[in-house]
Amino acid sequence: EIVMTQSPATLSVSPGERATLSCRASQSIISNLAWYQQKPGQAPRLLIYGASTRATDIPARFSGRGSGTEFTLTITSLQSEDFAVYYCHHYNNWPLTFGGGTKVEIK
Amino acid sequence: QVQLVQSGADVKKPGASVRISCKASGYTFTTYGISWLRQAPGQGPEWMGWISPYNGNTHYAQNLQDRITMTTDTSTSTTYMELRSLRSDDTAVYYCARQDFVTIFGVVKPHDGLDIWGQGTMVTVSS
Repeated sequence: EIVMTQSPATLSVSPGERATLSCRASQSIISNLAWYQQKPGQAPRLLIYGASTRATDIPARFSGRGSGTEFTLTITSLQSEDFAVYYCHHYNNWPLTFGGGTKVEIK
Repeated sequence: QVQLVQSGADVKKPGASVRISCKASGYTFTTYGISWLRQAPGQGPEWMGWISPYNGNTHYAQNLQDRITMTTDTSTSTTYMELRSLRSDDTAVYYCARQDFVTIFGVVKPHDGLDIWGQGTMVTVSS
């Protein structure tokens, strides 16, 4: 099974600033990586798939990069609604696995 | 609109079974697979397995394969997940999510992210 490791666990950012989240896979997953946002009491929401393709209706301030084993999610100019937990997830093969999450909190 | 609607919350005793339903609408049910996931309090999502409504093919997480069964009813566009021999650490919110797939040389592989999620079903296992 592929292990997904996210860092940092918590990121404190002021509104309007940039946030960069990292995700590492224990082996190459090519570009078969997705990012999700989750707010309390809600299901995760797909933000990015294919490592860099924004899902439907996702604002352009969310961008993803990377391939192989190293990936990043960048949120430029954080809005109040962006403070949440973010998960990376690989779908390179079965079983699917998720990272432990990064909580983006207000500084 | 495209949506997945799950059955309601449930409370079970240890050793019992739970069956959760997930009804799809707004798209052609048999052209996408369904993954089931769960999320314990304060934890990240855990993938439990996947089923193809087209032909019933399944892939299960190794740690659950002895206790889990996924089925589909194409007449009602509904997917079911049954988990048996429940323990206290099965207490979690359970989600279904739409998972596309590709077949390469007869091998089914996941494709793209989980783009549509159900609202979640809280299952509490307690004596």
